[in-house]
Amino acid sequence: GAGVSQSPSNKVTEKGKDVELRCDPISGHTALYWYRQSLGQGLEFLIYFQGNSAPDKSGLPSDRFSAERTGGSVSTLTIQRTQQEDSAVYLCASSSQQGAYGYTFGSGTRLTVV
Amino acid sequence: KNEVEQSPQNLTAQEGEFITINCSYSVGISALHWLQQHPGGGIVSLFMLSSGKKKHGRLIATINIQEKHSSLHITASHPRDSAVYICAGADLNQFYFGTGTSLTVIP
Repeated sequence: GAGVSQSPSNKVTEKGKDVELRCDPISGHTALYWYRQSLGQGLEFLIYFQGNSAPDKSGLPSDRFSAERTGGSVSTLTIQRTQQEDSAVYLCASSSQQGAYGYTFGSGTRLTVV
Repeated sequence: KNEVEQSPQNLTAQEGEFITINCSYSVGISALHWLQQHPGGGIVSLFMLSSGKKKHGRLIATINIQEKHSSLHITASHPRDSAVYICAGADLNQFYFGTGTSLTVIP
């Protein structure tokens, strides 16, 4: 597609339920990043995928968070047993190469845990 | 202390005013990004800079590598410029984000 596509754009879920957030990067982009922005906070790095290499998971806040990237393209961020503090905008970005260039953000998924 | 500091945190301007948002960073980076986030949460990449100055419409971004400082300027500001502006330093696969500047332009 022309840009990074995220779905759903909005998600309201009950505390304790699992949620899956999807990111479809720009075709051919080998690097994919997940970030989140909680209310009143800056952007927080979650996880980074580069090609077929093992992902950098250093930003995941707890073991309830996991992500995978199938076939080097679409990525799914899964949050198990959601908590209210998980409420945030989850942003995905992709890049044509590792690093700072050709970096495009998706429009985000706003997650609300009630 | 954050690796990337922005100022001011909040800014209110009258339509037509010239606006400057500042960004200072303390880490080595290969590029600096200016991002615009609208109230719905969507983010648009405005500029990527590694040196000098870039201009796009009413927006101008500058960077001084020696001083580790960048500025985003908006000329003839308009209410539709109201958004959060985020400065982000980038190096390899590491991004360092500022906490953003919330801009409100009043008609």
